[in-house]
Amino acid sequence: SQELEQSPQSLIVQEGKNLTINCTSSKTLYGLYWYKQKYGEGLIFLMMLQKGGEEKSHEKITAKLDEKKQQSSLHITASQPSHAGIYLCGADFLSRDDKIIFGKGTRLHILP
Amino acid sequence: NAGVTQTPKFQVLKTGQSMTLQCAQDMNHEYMSWYRQDPGMGLRLIHYSVGAGITDQGEVPNGYNVSRSTTEDFPLRLLSAAPSQTSVYFCASSPDRANQPQHFGDGTRLSIL
Repeated sequence: SQELEQSPQSLIVQEGKNLTINCTSSKTLYGLYWYKQKYGEGLIFLMMLQKGGEEKSHEKITAKLDEKKQQSSLHITASQPSHAGIYLCGADFLSRDDKIIFGKGTRLHILP
Repeated sequence: NAGVTQTPKFQVLKTGQSMTLQCAQDMNHEYMSWYRQDPGMGLRLIHYSVGAGITDQGEVPNGYNVSRSTTEDFPLRLLSAAPSQTSVYFCASSPDRANQPQHFGDGTRLSIL
């Protein structure tokens, strides 16, 4: 979707290294969702962010939403092979048109 | 708990054939949606529904029809399949559309020859 831009498109990281994935919107977000998809499988919900400045963590994954609610980052600390997959951000917008759309995803590869 | 169930998991069609992809959820969710996932394109919203009897178009609705006669079911119909519709299709549901994470099915891999 052109309304949500994810970067980078792909990422290759040495096991144990930290990494960050970004999700940027041209419009103010109402809610921001992060999902992970293992290759060839369905999507697994990671975290939801609603408030400007909000930060949530789950194990070694931390997601933040900026104060303006237009940009989110997903940070993985000490990456492991189990973190490999596609990370997608999804959002609904302040216009409340009921659509939940997604970015193009970031493919993460972890090198042993 | 079954969650969101999609059938079939795999399907091959010939151009011009019609088909219905089934999606059912047992969580009494009001909001349901269909996405297609293509390489380099992420997930694109096809159609969605905020409740039984109500449907609306997403980003890429052309060539697809939906209906929502019950809360549980949200089938996606291809009336005349085209090679451009070769994709992986995901159905999702959530309690409502407002700030609720969606539960996804395992997907249907569809190939149009």
